[in-house]
Amino acid sequence: EAQVTQNPRYLITVTGKKLTVTCSQNMNHEYMSWYRQDPGLGLRQIYYSMNVEVTDKGDVPEGYKVSRKEKRNFPLILESPSPNQTSLYFCASSSHGLAQETQYFGPGTRLLVL
Amino acid sequence: QQPVQSPQAVILREGEDAVINCSSSKALYSVHWYRQKHGEAPVFLMILLKGGEQKGHEKISASFNEKKQQSSLYLTASQLSYSGTYFCGTVSYKLSFGAGTTVTVRA
Repeated sequence: EAQVTQNPRYLITVTGKKLTVTCSQNMNHEYMSWYRQDPGLGLRQIYYSMNVEVTDKGDVPEGYKVSRKEKRNFPLILESPSPNQTSLYFCASSSHGLAQETQYFGPGTRLLVL
Repeated sequence: QQPVQSPQAVILREGEDAVINCSSSKALYSVHWYRQKHGEAPVFLMILLKGGEQKGHEKISASFNEKKQQSSLYLTASQLSYSGTYFCGTVSYKLSFGAGTTVTVRA
């Protein structure tokens, strides 16, 4: 089954404790991205990747890092989480990131930073 | 820059119609529409490309006016299953999502 998976689905952590949220897709997609969703603000892009070793900032990249060492994986790293990073995070992928392509979303990761 | 969606929320009775609007200040290549049920991932509805086309998904259709950089999503004869938050995503040089429109359909 074609899908995007994320782990963990739920995470509670404390300020300053590094964490990684994994994202993996099995559709051989070149384009992957991370979004955060906050009430009233919709989906805001954090980082995206056009292919292996090619990443770029989205609209809200501060406090986040990403890497793309393999085509299928695109982990999101919070080096020193802060409470304002409490949010619902979605990973998404599409074939090439082109205007006419469907975005496939993962199930989401709900993060609480205390 | 995020596109602007309106209204923020709408409440319908089964069988009623609604329109959700999405506008951008930038020239657009395409407009995406997604629906998200509470606690779930957004799910693709349709993509509209330059050319002013209209598309449909069940009794949900959409139009795209590229000259005005606007798109509208039409919910016709709404069903309970149409409840959720609808997001438009506009593509100028990259995909940006609006803040969403919450649709509640009541029996």
